[in-house]
Amino acid sequence: GAVVSQHPSWVICKSGTSVKIECRSLDFQATTMFWYRQFPKQSLMLMATSNEGSKATYEQGVEKDKFLINHASLTLSTLTVTSAHPEDSSFYICSAEGPRNEQFFGPGTRLTVL
Amino acid sequence: QKEVEQDPGPLSVPEGAIVSLNCTYSNSAFQYFMWYRQYSRKGPELLMYTYSSGNKEDGRFTAQVDKSSKYISLFIRDSQPSDSATYLCAMKTGANSKLTFGKGITLSVRP
Repeated sequence: GAVVSQHPSWVICKSGTSVKIECRSLDFQATTMFWYRQFPKQSLMLMATSNEGSKATYEQGVEKDKFLINHASLTLSTLTVTSAHPEDSSFYICSAEGPRNEQFFGPGTRLTVL
Repeated sequence: QKEVEQDPGPLSVPEGAIVSLNCTYSNSAFQYFMWYRQYSRKGPELLMYTYSSGNKEDGRFTAQVDKSSKYISLFIRDSQPSDSATYLCAMKTGANSKLTFGKGITLSVRP
């Protein structure tokens, strides 16, 4: 299957700082990527849909000014958590739409805000 | 009624058993169907993907889709302890559309 990578895999930051997470499709181009967050033992929660070259579409209740998404190329989307606070600590996972409309997920990024 | 209903768990089976996982859905617009396996603290791994009714086999895994009855199944043959994970069914209506997930079922395969 196709490979999606995320960087970093784990980040710890101080409250008030911003953190950028990268999502890359390594062996295919992805017009559409998705960002999720997941709390322990809970389901994936879609945060936003990222389309290359256009503004992201955010799900209801997700603050677009807090979670900045940029999809500047067909292989890279970034999520920036601005002014992070402890309640933003979570597991963030991206996915990319493959050439046959399937979705491949990245390995996830664990964010801990102190 | 939720769009996608997945059999609740957890599920515990002995090694070598055949496992059957099921999901039903209500939205007839769903056209693409996926099964994912997720280990703790990892991203979901795509196991099976299909967009037509019928069976699709890949190694020990068989995915079954019945669009007329609106249900999908995943069968795991000769289950192994390494299959212990959470299994998610997911589906979507078209290209570039978001996935709708089942709640997931935690499978434990006992050695």
